[in-house]
Amino acid sequence: DQQVKQNSPSLSVQEGRISILNCDYTNSMFDYFLWYKKYPAEGPTFLISISSIKDKNEDGRFTVFLNKSAKHLSLHIVPSQPGDSAVYFCAASETGGGSYIPTFGRGTSLIVHP
Amino acid sequence: DAGVIQSPRHEVTEMGQEVTLRCKPISGHNSLFWYRQTMMRGLELLIYFNNNVPIDDSGMPEDRFSAKMPNASFSTLKIQPSEPRDSAVYFCASSLRFGGGQETQYFGPGTRLLVL
Repeated sequence: DQQVKQNSPSLSVQEGRISILNCDYTNSMFDYFLWYKKYPAEGPTFLISISSIKDKNEDGRFTVFLNKSAKHLSLHIVPSQPGDSAVYFCAASETGGGSYIPTFGRGTSLIVHP
Repeated sequence: DAGVIQSPRHEVTEMGQEVTLRCKPISGHNSLFWYRQTMMRGLELLIYFNNNVPIDDSGMPEDRFSAKMPNASFSTLKIQPSEPRDSAVYFCASSLRFGGGQETQYFGPGTRLLVL
């Protein structure tokens, strides 16, 4: 039973355009969400996070949107660059009395074409 | 600043052999995690330690898997005996748990294990 789902295994985008990566979750107790980026032969690295008290968090070209009622979050990359080509993992955790351990989705492979 | 260090980076072994994966967390971090990544199951948490104590090992697939953290700067994940289905990339991650819950995990580069 996957609590965090990334239903698109891959996404292809043209350089300069917007990349939108989606993530859905089922556990309503999740209140902290993270995106990690992973290059081949490297470990995942933290990219951006959002708390459930917010619906948007922005960091440069990266913005994460959270829709709690839909249990959905998305990562927007604008403009996309070839160096953004990587696997992106969505993760969610329960911080209020929970274990704090994030549950990861299976990842979406983003390819940005020059 | 050195990140999380894992060794070996690659391991090829034959079925039935013992495999030991090693991890050195970031200095000062008090939580350590072992993950396994496969195509079918994505990134699975195997076990995590807090202050060197195993807190949750419910993700450890079988008794063939064991993990230890003898001190704050070292952990091992052992598979004995290894089987071909154990082939995967194993990641170690560490974090600083301060009670707020909004912590970030820092991952090592992973050990790519192939069991023939």
